[in-house]
Amino acid sequence: DIQMTQSPSTLSASVGDRVTITCRASQSISSWLAWYQQKPGKAPKVLIYKASTLESGVPSRFSGSGSGTEFTLTISSLQPDDFATYYCQQYNTYSYTFGQGTKLEIK
Amino acid sequence: EVQLLESGGGLVQPGGSLRLSCAASGFTFSTFAMGWVRQAPGKGLEWVSPISGSGGSTYYADSVKGRFTISRDNSKSTLYLQMNSLRAEDTAVYYCAKGQRSGGVQFFDYWGQGTLVTVSS
Repeated sequence: DIQMTQSPSTLSASVGDRVTITCRASQSISSWLAWYQQKPGKAPKVLIYKASTLESGVPSRFSGSGSGTEFTLTISSLQPDDFATYYCQQYNTYSYTFGQGTKLEIK
Repeated sequence: EVQLLESGGGLVQPGGSLRLSCAASGFTFSTFAMGWVRQAPGKGLEWVSPISGSGGSTYYADSVKGRFTISRDNSKSTLYLQMNSLRAEDTAVYYCAKGQRSGGVQFFDYWGQGTLVTVSS
């Protein structure tokens, strides 16, 4: 199965900061990558799919890039609503593996 | 509006069985793949099983293969997960998720609110 590794596991930042989360795949997944945001007690919400396509209704401060084995999620200017846990997920194969998550905390 | 409503969770003893249901509305159910994802308490997300729109294609995580069975009733717009031989490590919130199209690999764009399964004696 394809392994997905996110870094960092925890990220402390302030409102207005620019932050980047990295996701690495154990083998090439082309651009078949999605990013999800999850808040405590809530279901995950898709932010980006196909590595860089913003899901409808998601603020433009979120962006994704990468292909092959290395991907990034960038939030250009953190807002209070953005403090949550973020997961990458590959959909190149049916194992649909998730990264272990990155918890974005308020500094 | 897409809505996914899971039910059937609860407390079950190790070795027991449980069937989860997910009632879907707001879209043409039979034309979209569906799936189950779980999240153990305080842990990350784990894909359990997807199923194609027709129900003819399924996949299972190694951790549940041979114990769980995914199915769907397109006439009732309902997704199911039959869970047998349950173990303590199956304790999790189980989410139902909707795919982007009928078949093939894809991402899942709508998720239900989840149902908690607790396996304990």
